[in-house]
Amino acid sequence: QKEVEQDPGPLSVPEGAIVSLNCTYSNSAFQYFMWYRQYSRKGPELLMYTYSSGNKEDGRFTAQVDKSSKYISLFIRDSQPSDSATYLCAKGNEKLTFGTGTRLTIIP
Amino acid sequence: EPEVTQTPSHQVTQMGQEVILRCVPISNHLYFYWYRQILGQKVEFLVSFYNNEISEKSEIFDDQFSVERPDGSNFTLKIRSTKLEDSAMYFCASRPGGRQETQYFGPGTRLLVL
Repeated sequence: QKEVEQDPGPLSVPEGAIVSLNCTYSNSAFQYFMWYRQYSRKGPELLMYTYSSGNKEDGRFTAQVDKSSKYISLFIRDSQPSDSATYLCAKGNEKLTFGTGTRLTIIP
Repeated sequence: EPEVTQTPSHQVTQMGQEVILRCVPISNHLYFYWYRQILGQKVEFLVSFYNNEISEKSEIFDDQFSVERPDGSNFTLKIRSTKLEDSAMYFCASRPGGRQETQYFGPGTRLLVL
């Protein structure tokens, strides 16, 4: 079983829509969960991180962790064309394990 | 805002040659990492480094790879004898330490082995 599973997409939504990105994970040891954004041929850019179940909000972005079902989500409200990128979920402490990334396109 | 920087941005080399990829982590960070991303694949952990020692390494990080922090600012990844399959994007990352576990990534070095 892969440690982090993520639907690679691609996902296209109209500007202004709410975007929902999801990952599942195995191995329940205490660890952090992160969302990174990666533009084409660039390094991953940290968006949000959390280590507890529940929601964490930062502007238009909300990260959600459900440890009972081993599910992590990222919601983007009022999506903008500049949000078009690949979104990577990751978990870990010292060593991060990444999902495959979901390629998102916001259509103006 | 402080950033992780990496040089060069692109490197082309012949198979069997040695390459050194350089990184300048964020200045007050204590933990340093290298990851790689083969085109179209996941970002994969290579190695972590703390207090001038490797703290963890993956199966990918074999004897052909080494890391070094030669001075107070640089962190390098050396590939002794490159193979075609080493072609990838290599990312350096760093984190402050303590309970803050988030890693901040550099822009990457694109390595092409011919």
